[in-house]
Amino acid sequence: AQKVTQAQTEISVVEKEDVTLDCVYETRDTTYYLFWYKQPPSGELVFLIRRNSFDEQNEISGRYSWNFQKSTSSFNFTITASQVVDSAVYFCALSEPFSGSARQLTFGSGTQLTVLP
Amino acid sequence: DSGVTQTPKHLITATGQRVTLRCSPRSGDLSVYWYQQSLDQGLQFLIQYYNGEERAKGNILERFSAQQFPDLHSELNLSSLELGDSALYFCASSEGLVYEQFFGPGTRLTVL
Repeated sequence: AQKVTQAQTEISVVEKEDVTLDCVYETRDTTYYLFWYKQPPSGELVFLIRRNSFDEQNEISGRYSWNFQKSTSSFNFTITASQVVDSAVYFCALSEPFSGSARQLTFGSGTQLTVLP
Repeated sequence: DSGVTQTPKHLITATGQRVTLRCSPRSGDLSVYWYQQSLDQGLQFLIQYYNGEERAKGNILERFSAQQFPDLHSELNLSSLELGDSALYFCASSEGLVYEQFFGPGTRLTVL
């Protein structure tokens, strides 16, 4: 069965610090997708990134970067020069091919990030 | 704004009652997913529909049911409500079956 572990329940940093959110996953499939979502205090879930299992290139988008390492089954998320607006719960999620059609997401338990001014 | 709409935003009801949550996917998205977010269970997948057909079931209780209509909107029906059903219910949609899911703002259900 697929599983996503986000061991960091809460992280608190001071503005402008860099912070890395860890995500470790378990899957028996060779083809899968990994995602990060952000849930700000307002409650909605905001899509940040999708990565497929065949693409191990790291990705950078502004202050956000993602490090995918298949060898350690990890998909970590780094925010550089954090800002107060980055305060949110961040979820890592995994999607496996399922009977060739469904793409349900299995979520980790989330990491509450608080950025202090 | 993800383009996915959910109504109502909040719902307060009593135990034993039945409620219907509604979701309109993004324009062009054929796949709709329902998730439940609660403090003790986290974010859990309930059910998925693709172009009107049920495609996958997760941890959905027998008291819960869903459907997707020809215009692609979806409804989640929750019956014989219990206190433990209080949660945030999200609908998500995706263009196909291999694309990222975009989430609606959620419906917060409170069962008293």
